[in-house]
Amino acid sequence: RKEVEQDPGPFNVPEGATVAFNCTYSNSASQSFFWYRQDCRKEPKLLMSVYSSGNEDGRFTAQLNRASQYISLLIRDSKLSDSATYLCVVNLFGNEKLTFGTGTRLTIIP
Amino acid sequence: NAGVTQTPKFRILKIGQSMTLQCTQDMNHNYMYWYRQDPGMGLKLIYYSVGAGITDKGEVPNGYNVSRSTTEDFPLRLELAAPSQTSVYFCASTLAGARAETQYFGPGTRLLVL
Repeated sequence: RKEVEQDPGPFNVPEGATVAFNCTYSNSASQSFFWYRQDCRKEPKLLMSVYSSGNEDGRFTAQLNRASQYISLLIRDSKLSDSATYLCVVNLFGNEKLTFGTGTRLTIIP
Repeated sequence: NAGVTQTPKFRILKIGQSMTLQCTQDMNHNYMYWYRQDPGMGLKLIYYSVGAGITDKGEVPNGYNVSRSTTEDFPLRLELAAPSQTSVYFCASTLAGARAETQYFGPGTRLLVL
């Protein structure tokens, strides 16, 4: 089983719609969780951290379910500029390495 | 701050040639990383360093070498290029504490081995 698994998509979503991605992780000792965004032919950039209580940043909401070992990302009122690949990232406490999922590709359709 | 810079942006190598991918950061980060990303795939860790003089293997280190003589620089060396090393290479850095912090990535080096 992969350490971090994501649905690769692609997700083709009309502008203004709500879209959600899930990501599962295999190591129950994982402590830190992130969503990164990667535009085509660009470097990954941190979108948001994921906290146990869930967190929201504008149109983006991230949730963590430790019991089921999954992380979710919800994008509301999607914009054309949201088109990108979204990478789920996991870290073990005290470990200097991050483990990246293969990414979910999202395309927002006008 | 320039952040993380990488050179070259693009390179074509012949099988068996060698080259060094350069990575420099000006944020005084102690941790630095090299990843490769194959088309449609996630990032795989090649090597990483937790400080000057200290390096360690990641998930896919074979065919690569690194050094970390200064805090700022973390070059990646390919000794005998093979077609399997065709990929996009990203360097990243972070200021690590008790909780993993954001990794800042360079713009990448696209390598084609023919």
